[in-house]
Amino acid sequence: EIVLTQSPATLSVSPGERATLSCRASQSVSTSLAWYQQKPGQAPRLLIYGAATRATGIPARFSGSASGTEFTLTISSLQSEDFAVYYCQHYNDWLTFGGGTKVEIK
Amino acid sequence: QLQLQESGPGLVKPSETLSLTCTVSGGSISFSTNYWGWIRQTPGKGLEWIGTVYYSADTYYNPSLKSRVTMSVDTSKNQFSLKLSSVTAADTAVYYCARTGSDYAMNWFDPWGQGTLVTVSS
Repeated sequence: EIVLTQSPATLSVSPGERATLSCRASQSVSTSLAWYQQKPGQAPRLLIYGAATRATGIPARFSGSASGTEFTLTISSLQSEDFAVYYCQHYNDWLTFGGGTKVEIK
Repeated sequence: QLQLQESGPGLVKPSETLSLTCTVSGGSISFSTNYWGWIRQTPGKGLEWIGTVYYSADTYYNPSLKSRVTMSVDTSKNQFSLKLSSVTAADTAVYYCARTGSDYAMNWFDPWGQGTLVTVSS
């Protein structure tokens, strides 16, 4: 089973600042990685797939990148609606999710 | 706009079978090349993929749950279903249904249903 490790567990950021979230895979998943945003009481919402492709309707301030087994989700300028929990998920073979990073207001 | 809605009992007794249905609206299961999945979420284990099914009834299950999971599709009702047998308190979770993002079984999920809380307790 491929394990996805997200860091940090909690990220405190001021509105307007940049947020950088990390997801590390225990072995290669190629670019078969997605990112989701989840707000309290809601289902996860797809942000990024293929490591770097924004889903339909996702603002350009969200971007994804990959370097080997390290994946990064960057939010260029945090808006109030971006404070949430973010999860990565791989789909290289069976599916697993990371443990999440909570982005909170500093 | 495709929408998914989970339904089923919110309380299941230990050792019994959990049964959930996902109703798809705004699109046809049988005319879609996408697959359909179940994912659950607990405070302790986070998000866990349960399995994925195609309208033709091809199924793919999480190896850790495979012995207890059965998924099926009812194209006449535009629904797909999950059965999880021999449940314990560890199966207490919010259960989500979702569509895969493209025409591969192992895939990202978009969109998701709103989720339904299932509690296992006597």
